[in-house]
Amino acid sequence: DIQMTQSPSSLSASIEDRVTITCRASQGISNSLAWFQQKPGKAPKPLIYGASSLQSGVPSKFSGSGSGTDFTLTISSLQPEDFATYYCQQYNNYPPTFGQGTRLEIK
Amino acid sequence: EVQLLESGGDLVQPGGSLRLSCGASGFTFSTYDMGWVRQAPGKGLEWVSSISPSGADTYYADFVQGRFTISRDNSKNTVYLQTNSLRAEDTAAYYCARGSPVATYYFDYWGQGALVTVSS
Repeated sequence: DIQMTQSPSSLSASIEDRVTITCRASQGISNSLAWFQQKPGKAPKPLIYGASSLQSGVPSKFSGSGSGTDFTLTISSLQPEDFATYYCQQYNNYPPTFGQGTRLEIK
Repeated sequence: EVQLLESGGDLVQPGGSLRLSCGASGFTFSTYDMGWVRQAPGKGLEWVSSISPSGADTYYADFVQGRFTISRDNSKNTVYLQTNSLRAEDTAAYYCARGSPVATYYFDYWGQGALVTVSS
């Protein structure tokens, strides 16, 4: 199975900050990488697929990049509603696998 | 509007069984792959199982080990997950999710989750 490793595991940031979360795959996955946002007690919300394509309805403050094994999620101008846990997921190889999550907290 | 609504979560004893259901609306259910993803309390996301649009093809995570069965009834727009021989480590929120047109295992819509608690 492909292992997905996110860094950092947790991150403190302030309102209006710009943050970047990294996801690394244990082997190449082309651009078959998705990002999800999850708030406590809620289902994951898809943000990005294909490493850089925004899911419908997701604001452009979220952006993704990368290909192969290294990927990033960038969130610009943080607002209170952006503080959540973020997960990456590869869907290039079976079985699909998720990163361990990055918890984004208010500083 | 796409909606997925799970039901069937409950408290069950170790070794017991539960059937989770997920009713879908707002899209042509019979043309989409469907899947289940779980999340243990305080832990990350873990894919459990997926099923093809016709139901002919099913896929499972290794940890299922023949204990779970995914199925669907396209006439009822519903996907099921029959869980047997449940263990404490199966305690989790189980999310039903739709496989996107982009890729089977990219899940673009999720239900609110069904909580399964395995405890004596």
